[in-house]
Amino acid sequence: QKEVEQNSGPLSVPEGAIASLNCTYSDRGSQSFFWYRQYSGKSPELIMFIYSNGDKEDGRFTAQLNKASQYVSLLIRDSQPSDSATYLCAVNDRDNDMRFGAGTRLTVKP
Amino acid sequence: GAVVSQHPSRVICKSGTSVKIECRSLDFQATTMFWYRQFPKQSLMLMATSNEGSKATYEQGVEKDKFLINHASLTLSTLTVTSAHPEDSSFYICSARDPPGEGSPLHFGNGTRLTVT
Repeated sequence: QKEVEQNSGPLSVPEGAIASLNCTYSDRGSQSFFWYRQYSGKSPELIMFIYSNGDKEDGRFTAQLNKASQYVSLLIRDSQPSDSATYLCAVNDRDNDMRFGAGTRLTVKP
Repeated sequence: GAVVSQHPSRVICKSGTSVKIECRSLDFQATTMFWYRQFPKQSLMLMATSNEGSKATYEQGVEKDKFLINHASLTLSTLTVTSAHPEDSSFYICSARDPPGEGSPLHFGNGTRLTVT
């Protein structure tokens, strides 16, 4: 069974801090990795994707991928209350199926 | 960026009736679309994969005769919930890959919140 695991949280950080969200996956043949943000009552919104080992930065967001450890993370710098949402890790496995983690609920406190 | 439009955003229907949900890719073509369902505080669950010009592929446990999928064109897929029951009340979300092909990200529609009374 190919799985994507995330800590369900809630993860609470103060405004201005760095939020660190983690995800592990079981299919070593996975090639594409995505982070989605989902506000309560809304559909998921793509915020980052990463295909190669290392870091990828986009504004306040940094995605990190370590294929050897089967680990992908998302860092949010200077967290804002508007970042409070559920963050979904998604992995495109070797069969080109997109598999989602259960999501980590992040709360940024003013 | 890729835009997926879903309609209606909210629908309330009576038990036993049918509801049709439309999903359109506005600025790209999608030979494949994906239909998800999400219950409150739960994760996304893939229901079925919609294929343009051929039959949909349903996930295990999803009744194909209850959730009818039609992918009539490269930009339109519809999901019809037939003989709806209160337990079908959920958040239904469609998505498509852009650019098409392996490894591309999924882009989601805004979702349809279905309430069956």
